[in-house]
Amino acid sequence: AQTVTQSQPEMSVQEAETVTLSCTYDTSESDYYLFWYKQPPSRQMILVIRQEAYKQQNATENRFSVNFQKAAKSFSLKISDSQLGDAAMYFCAYRSPSTNFGNEKLTFGTGTRLTIIP
Amino acid sequence: DAMVIQNPRYQVTQFGKPVTLSCSQTLNHNVMYWYQQKSSQAPKLLFHYYDKDFNNEADTPDNFQSRRPNTSFCFLDIRSPGLGDAAMYLCATSRDLKRGRNEQFFGPGTRLTVL
Repeated sequence: AQTVTQSQPEMSVQEAETVTLSCTYDTSESDYYLFWYKQPPSRQMILVIRQEAYKQQNATENRFSVNFQKAAKSFSLKISDSQLGDAAMYFCAYRSPSTNFGNEKLTFGTGTRLTIIP
Repeated sequence: DAMVIQNPRYQVTQFGKPVTLSCSQTLNHNVMYWYQQKSSQAPKLLFHYYDKDFNNEADTPDNFQSRRPNTSFCFLDIRSPGLGDAAMYLCATSRDLKRGRNEQFFGPGTRLTVL
């Protein structure tokens, strides 16, 4: 079974600075998907960024980028120019590529609570 | 806007009194999921539907049941809620399994309180 580990329960960053959230995972599969989800306080969870394991290029979405190290099974999220609205719980998640029924689920890490300091 | 809707947003029930939570989607997605999320924890998958096919997680208690009468709606039934079932319940959907189109879209959640 796959596992996802987020070793930083809490992080804080000064507004406008850059912060990196760590995520490692364990899998025996060679192809899979990785996600970062953001869950603001009392608001719904939304997708921040997605990475397909077969792609070598790191995904980027505006101020959000990932550092995907497949051999090391590491998938960190970098937030540049942090804004107050970035304050949230961030979850790293893994998804198997299998199209077999029952394998559509996400495996989540335990989350990192990010605080933005004005 | 296409979205995932959960009703009610807040639900209070009494210990042992059955409760039903509702989820609807306008995304026309094949797959619908129910998660339980306790405070400051990761969402825990309870079960999901791929179309009409139901997949129950091995550690989901029998107390939790689900129904999906059509593509748009999915219900979570808690037959006899205990104090430990107080949590946020998240509904999510995803499209089919073709490569690259498989992220899950979450609803705002229903916060369940058990008295």
